[in-house]
Amino acid sequence: NAGVTQTPKFQVLKTGQSMTLQCAQDMNHEYMSWYRQDPGMGLRLIHYSVGAGITDQGEVPNGYNVSRSTTEDFPLRLLSAAPSQTSVYFCASSYGREGYTFGSGTRLTVV
Amino acid sequence: GENVEQHPSTLSVQEGDSAVIKCTYSDSASNYFPWYKQELGKRPQLIIDIRSNVGEKKDQRIAVTLNKTAKHFSLHITETQPEDSAVYFCAAKIAASKLTFGTGTRLQVTL
Repeated sequence: NAGVTQTPKFQVLKTGQSMTLQCAQDMNHEYMSWYRQDPGMGLRLIHYSVGAGITDQGEVPNGYNVSRSTTEDFPLRLLSAAPSQTSVYFCASSYGREGYTFGSGTRLTVV
Repeated sequence: GENVEQHPSTLSVQEGDSAVIKCTYSDSASNYFPWYKQELGKRPQLIIDIRSNVGEKKDQRIAVTLNKTAKHFSLHITETQPEDSAVYFCAAKIAASKLTFGTGTRLQVTL
């Protein structure tokens, strides 16, 4: 099993550009989430999904969209990048009542 | 929604001493409490977890305790070693829904 795979690992965007952060898991996990990590702020939930076709907002959803068309994939779309979205983004997945397994992260810089 | 507070934000201990990190949660319906360790530049890794029907769990030098009445849970690391130096996050989860994290504790183990 590859676990949770995130691409790209690094990305630089200009303000106003859009992009999609990819996340895929091969563990048949029902639950998937996107977190952003900023210094001193811990891990803040952006969006999450409890299964294919079902998504919901987390703590900081503004400026981001998600979809879950398959169990395996949970892409995160930045609609119009802003410097405030400079962060490290982690995708995570879990099965039932277990803890989340995290991907290796995407370091995004918006200039 | 759930709110998780974590203390202290930084902790420095000498090698061989014990370290204790404390968290409180707000939603009494939370029933799963994992702890994650994050080394610099890496993804969070699950190190131990506890469910609401258990008061204490131990895994070698790491233990977690839960007080449901007070809505407190704690991580205890005994005989600390330099490789324990990292940021530790507590989290709380309601059933199969989203995981809410504390803001993290930076543990430094000095020689």
